[in-house]
Parts: sequence; C-alpha cells; structure tokens
Amino acid sequence: ELKVEQNPLFLSMQEGKNYTIYCNYSTTSDRLYWYRQDPGKSLESLFVLLSNGAVKQEGRLMASLDTKARLSTLHITAAVHDLSATYFCAVDPLKLVFGKGTKLTVNP
Amino acid sequence: DADVTQTPRNRITKTGKRIMLECSQTKGHDRMYWYRQDPGLGLRLIYYSFDVKDINKGEISDGYSVSRQAQAKFSLSLESAIPNQTALYFCATSDLTSGATYNEQFFGPGTRLTVL
Repeated sequence: ELKVEQNPLFLSMQEGKNYTIYCNYSTTSDRLYWYRQDPGKSLESLFVLLSNGAVKQEGRLMASLDTKARLSTLHITAAVHDLSATYFCAVDPLKLVFGKGTKLTVNP
Repeated sequence: DADVTQTPRNRITKTGKRIMLECSQTKGHDRMYWYRQDPGLGLRLIYYSFDVKDINKGEISDGYSVSRQAQAKFSLSLESAIPNQTALYFCATSDLTSGATYNEQFFGPGTRLTVL
C-alpha cells in the first residue's frame, strides 16, 4: 500500500524567511503533484513533477523530485503572507494518493 | 464558468436519510473521482471512474455508492447517512485520452455535508 508522508504538518514562519516542506512516499513513482488549498476552498494545482531531478518554480515556490530517494521538496523563499495555505503532495501510481497536508501560516 | 461544478455546496441532513451529491464537468475529461476531506486526514479516495462503464472502489467506499450517468456527470450517494460521514466532499477530473501522460487532477469547489 502506497503511503505518502508530509512534514511538517504545521508550519508557522515569519515573512521573509525560507523553509522547506518534505514529501516522502513509500513505493516507486516518477509522478508527483503539489496542490494548494486556501481555507474553505478547493485544491489548486501548483506543480506537476514527472521525472527524477525535475524542478519547477513559480514565484517564491520551488518544487523538486528525487525518485531514487522517493522524496519531493517544496521550498519557500522569502515567505509572504499570501502564501499562507495548506499544501498537499500527491503521488500517482494509477490514481492519486495524497499526503495529509502541511498547514503553512506566514506571520508579519 | 467553473469547469467542475458540485451541487449542493452545503447540505445538512439527518441520520438515516439518503442523500446524493452531484458533480458535472465541462472539461471533456474521461476520468472522475470522489474524495472526502476530514481535518488532519488529508484527502481520501471514495470512488473513481475511468470512463462511463468503469467504476472502482477507492480507499473508503463503505457506506457510499456512485453513478456515472454520462462522461460529464458523476454522482455520489449516501444510502443511509451517519454522523461520521460529516465531511467536505470533493469531485475531481483528469484526462488521459488526449495524449497526456500524467494524471493531474482538477477539483470542484466542494460540498460541505453535515449529518446530524
């Protein structure tokens, strides 16, 4: 059974700081997805990572995938309040299996 | 207009009642999914359908049933609702027929269901 673990589950950080969210998964997969969810809202696709070594960047967020280590990271650079949300990673053997999410709060 | 719509958006019902949640999409995608979200548990897959004639159970299908009425419509039913089915329910779609090699899913706005 595929397991997807994110850490930390809760992250409180100050504006301007950098931090990384980690996503580990238990079986081989070369497809990993990151989603963002604002409170009370739906999930929005952020990144699709399709191969070992893939790196995608959008604004202050950068995602990477290491399929050998079964690890993806979501790096936040110089955080701003607008990045406050819950971030999910999901792995795709045939259908998506989601991590439990990382709730990020960026404080002024 | 939204590509993936869900009705109702909010529903309060009583234990033992039958309830149907509906999902429609205009994206032309072949695959549709139902998830439930509970605080601290992430999203868990209830049922999924890869085309109109294909229905599959997900991780937590007990107490639920689905119907794929058309490529664009996928309904989730709770035959006899119970309080621990109180959750946020999401429909999602994806497309593997148009040459895409990955399963990026697109989510509806969600239905907040409360069972008293």
